[in-house]
Amino acid sequence: QSVLTQPPSVSAAPGQKVTIYCSGSTSNLGINSVAWYQQLPGAAPKLLIYDNDKRPSDIPDRFSGSKSGASATLGITGLQTGDEADYYCGTWDSNLSGSVFGTGTKVTVL
Amino acid sequence: EVQLVQSGAEVKKPGESLQISCKGSGYNFNNFWIGWVRQKPGKGLEWMGNIYPGDSDIRDSPSFRGQVTLSADKSISTAFLQWSSLRASDTAMYYCARRARGSSGVTFFDFWGPGTQVTVSS
Repeated sequence: QSVLTQPPSVSAAPGQKVTIYCSGSTSNLGINSVAWYQQLPGAAPKLLIYDNDKRPSDIPDRFSGSKSGASATLGITGLQTGDEADYYCGTWDSNLSGSVFGTGTKVTVL
Repeated sequence: EVQLVQSGAEVKKPGESLQISCKGSGYNFNNFWIGWVRQKPGKGLEWMGNIYPGDSDIRDSPSFRGQVTLSADKSISTAFLQWSSLRASDTAMYYCARRARGSSGVTFFDFWGPGTQVTVSS
């Protein structure tokens, strides 16, 4: 029962760009910053973006994030086969008083 | 290097009890909340709750309240997730993760354990 909505899948050719959207509400993304996580097949999630647009030191700048109102976006440029994974947005929901995740988006490199 | 090491896969029967663990290293375990996240086969991430090892303060999700118990032993830098009576619907991968707070004040999970697979089947 995710409260953040993402498209089930996106795809693009190697070297191209994909954009993943995350839609929330006034109790979560509308007032709180977003984080993005990458889950490679068979692996644990890994933090990609936090505070809407900040990257941990080991994340390449091919990954970028932004937020506007109650929606957030993750962009991946220079798509590589190693980017094939599930991507989740996440934030805090002030009404639920807890963390919430998006429904997840599967990225396929054609 | 921050690491979260989780206990191994478990196969249990319905009605049995279970405790899985998550041991932190490479940082002050007492000073960061630990979160637990469930992922059912082929499904998304579900937040179960957080525990602060320093004083065992707990923030749990209403969806999991009464179904599981969170605990921690700061003397061994380990957090635990416990079931008293498992059900088939508890079959899932369970992740622990360290919770951090950004400059915005909003929290996120910056380091994750590899997960513990729990299978409940008669």
